[in-house]
Order: sequence, then structure tokens, then C-alpha cells
Amino acid sequence: KQEVTQIPAALSVPEGENLVLNCSFTDSAIYNLQWFRQDPGKGLTSLLLIQSSQREQTSGRLNASLDKSSGRSTLYIAASQPGDSATYLCAATGSARQLTFGSGTQLTVLP
Amino acid sequence: GAVVSQHPSRVICKSGTSVKIECRSLDFQATTMFWYRQFPKQSLMLMATSNEGSKATYEQGVEKDKFLINHASLTLSTLTVTSAHPEDSSFYICSARNRGPPDTQYFGPGTRLTVL
Repeated sequence: KQEVTQIPAALSVPEGENLVLNCSFTDSAIYNLQWFRQDPGKGLTSLLLIQSSQREQTSGRLNASLDKSSGRSTLYIAASQPGDSATYLCAATGSARQLTFGSGTQLTVLP
Repeated sequence: GAVVSQHPSRVICKSGTSVKIECRSLDFQATTMFWYRQFPKQSLMLMATSNEGSKATYEQGVEKDKFLINHASLTLSTLTVTSAHPEDSSFYICSARNRGPPDTQYFGPGTRLTVL
């Protein structure tokens, strides 16, 4: 059974700092890996999706990498802003397209 | 982009009543929909996979008689929480699979259920 772990559970940084969020998964037979953002009491916003054959994806200040062999993915956020404060979830998609989510990293960017 | 809606967004009910949550794909046909639940400050857990025209597949530990799922059309799946109890209070999120291209899932905005 797939297990997804995210560290750290919480992170607080000053505005402008670059930061890295980590995600690890136990079963490397994934269809893709996704990163989501969730604001308090809200649904999910898809940030980046990396297909199993890809190594990384970029969108604006966000860059996500995928290393299937080691079961790891990272989300890099450049020049963080207070508006980036949210919970970031990674999810591994299995062959039946079901998602297994990590427990999330709660990010606070201090102005 | 593809849009998935959920209704209601928030519901409060008395213990023992049943609550129905709808998940609709608005601009694409979804042969597969997924239901997740999220407890406060925890991650999303898959409850069941719903395929149009067939019985849902439930994850281990999820009571199928308590969480009734119906996927009667290619754009609508419903989750009914029967005889709700306070421990069923949670955030329920659905997703709909668009076979694409690209083959991806789109998430609804979620439904906050509070059982008194």
C-alpha cells in the first residue's frame, strides 16, 4: 500500500526566502505526482503535476522535481511571499488513478 | 480548465439524519469519480472510487452501507451519509477523472459536514 510522507509538517520563513518542501513515497510505481495548495477551510488548488516519465515541472516561482527511483519529490518556492502561506499537499497517483496524499506542510511566510 | 462542482458547500444536520452530497463535472464526462474525506488538520483519505453505471469500490475500513455512493450518469456522482453521527463530521471532497488528454483529475471545492 502506498504511503506518502511530507516533511516538515510546518515551516515558517521570512518573506523573500527560497524554500523547499519534501515529499517521499514508498511505492515507485506511480502514474504521476502532484502538488496541491489548500487554504484553511477550502478545497484543493492544483499547482504542479509531474508525469512518471518526467523529472521536473515549473510554473512561475514554483519548481517541482521527481525522483522515482528514490521515491522523492521536492517543491521549490522562490522568493516566498505572504500570499504563499497555506498548506501544501503532495499526492502520488496510482495505476487506478486514485491519489494517496501526504499529511501536508503548513507554510507561513512572515511579512 | 475543467470544473467540478459540489453541492452543498456546507451542511449542518442532526444526528441520525441522512445527508446527500452531489459532485458534478460541468464541462466533461467523468467515467470515474473519487470521494475523499479530510478530518481537521489531517490529510485527505480516499473513501471510494465510483465508476459510472457500476458499484463503487470502497477502501478498507469505509462502511459501504453508511456511505452510499451512486454514479448514475457521466457527470454526476452522489455520496449519501446515512444515519449521520458526530464522528462523521468532516470535509468531503470529490474528484472527477477526465480521460483527457491529459488524463487527470479535477477536484471539487469540498463539502463541510457538521453533525450535531
